[in-house]
Amino acid sequence: DTGVSQDPRHKITKRGQNVTFRCDPISEHNRLYWYRQTLGQGPEFLTYFQNEAQLEKSRLLSDRFSAERPKGSFSTLEIQRTEQGDSAMYLCATMGDGYSYEQYFGPGTRLTVT
Amino acid sequence: AQKITQTQPGMFVQEKEAVTLDCTYDTSDPSYGLFWYKQPSSGEMIFLIYQGSYDQQNATEGRYSLNFQKARKSANLVISASQLGDSAMYFCAMREGPSSGNTPLVFGKGTRLSVIA
Repeated sequence: DTGVSQDPRHKITKRGQNVTFRCDPISEHNRLYWYRQTLGQGPEFLTYFQNEAQLEKSRLLSDRFSAERPKGSFSTLEIQRTEQGDSAMYLCATMGDGYSYEQYFGPGTRLTVT
Repeated sequence: AQKITQTQPGMFVQEKEAVTLDCTYDTSDPSYGLFWYKQPSSGEMIFLIYQGSYDQQNATEGRYSLNFQKARKSANLVISASQLGDSAMYFCAMREGPSSGNTPLVFGKGTRLSVIA
């Protein structure tokens, strides 16, 4: 257990529905990343927050995706009008400030779109 | 262009033997960091070892060591004395820029390691 938690761990939804995932970081970590991992691939970067500011977004983050980090604590990732291609593991990772280099990953949310 | 290449989709190793997982990378940034993560079937990414581009010595963490060959742009993971619990996916990753910087990790496709009793 890295101290990063994600909820839910599994989500099955029908195509066209909206889903929202939550990530709770290690309390003193001000940097937060979202990654997506499809079957047989390594994780791919989606978006990055420093405190409450969303500083970077990947081209993978289409208009149907939105992420927030209110008050710089937990973060949410919402997918609107889900498509089958959205089926993947969604991973959250956090980093401390200063000289730390390690990203601590949460257990992930596995999304299945039927 | 693919920045991290892991050419071994799957590897088998006998328990108690050593195994090397290959990783090559591509970057023009003189400052970068290389990471290895383990992902068991439960899905969580577990950090194993880190090597900075300016580090003079190869990184070691317990049974894990990183064979860093800068000129060849390779960062192979060596696991000594394999255990059954080492069976998992292993990912090599890179971050360009300072080691403590904000740039996200770029991952390879992974190598599935199976340890045989």
